[in-house]
Amino acid sequence: DQQVKQNSPSLSVQEGRISILNCDYTNSMFDYFLWYKKYPAEGPTFLISISSIKDKNEDGRFTVFLNKSAKHLSLHIVPSQPGDSAVYFCAASGTQGAQKLVFGQGTRLTINP
Amino acid sequence: DAGITQSPRYKITETGRQVTLMCHQTWSHSYMFWYRQDLGHGLRLIYYSAAADITDKGEVPDGYVVSRSKTENFPLTLESATRSQTSVYFCASSGSRTTNYGYTFGSGTRLTVV
Repeated sequence: DQQVKQNSPSLSVQEGRISILNCDYTNSMFDYFLWYKKYPAEGPTFLISISSIKDKNEDGRFTVFLNKSAKHLSLHIVPSQPGDSAVYFCAASGTQGAQKLVFGQGTRLTINP
Repeated sequence: DAGITQSPRYKITETGRQVTLMCHQTWSHSYMFWYRQDLGHGLRLIYYSAAADITDKGEVPDGYVVSRSKTENFPLTLESATRSQTSVYFCASSGSRTTNYGYTFGSGTRLTVV
């Protein structure tokens, strides 16, 4: 039972355009959501997060949107750059203090020049 | 070196062998985790530890054993390796009681069981 789902295994976007990565979750007890970025042969690195009390969090070119009623979050990257090509994982955790993260399957983003 | 390091980076072992993957962090983080990455499944939690001598199962613990006698080390042992345990294994640590700041991951160990 996949509690966090990324239904798009891959996404290709032109440089300079907006990249939108999507993530759905099923567990209504999740209250914190994170995005990680992973390059080949490296470990995932933390990118941006959002608490369930917010619906948007922005950090430079990266914005995460949360729609709790739809149990959906998305990561927007504007403008997309070649260095953004990587695998992106969304993750979720339960009640505050519960350290375990549940990850989605990942989406491979390719930015074309 | 400061940070979180995993060893070995690559390992090939035979079915039925015992193999231990090492994880070492220099921050004295309380929380440590082991995940495996498989195509189509993303990252799945194997075991985690909230402190030295405190460990608990994650989503896919069968066939694995962990220990944490020291805060900085969190080895993962495959007692009798199977082909289904071929995967990339990531160790992670966190100093925070909450997940607000995420984890810091190691670079991974690619394990092949033949």
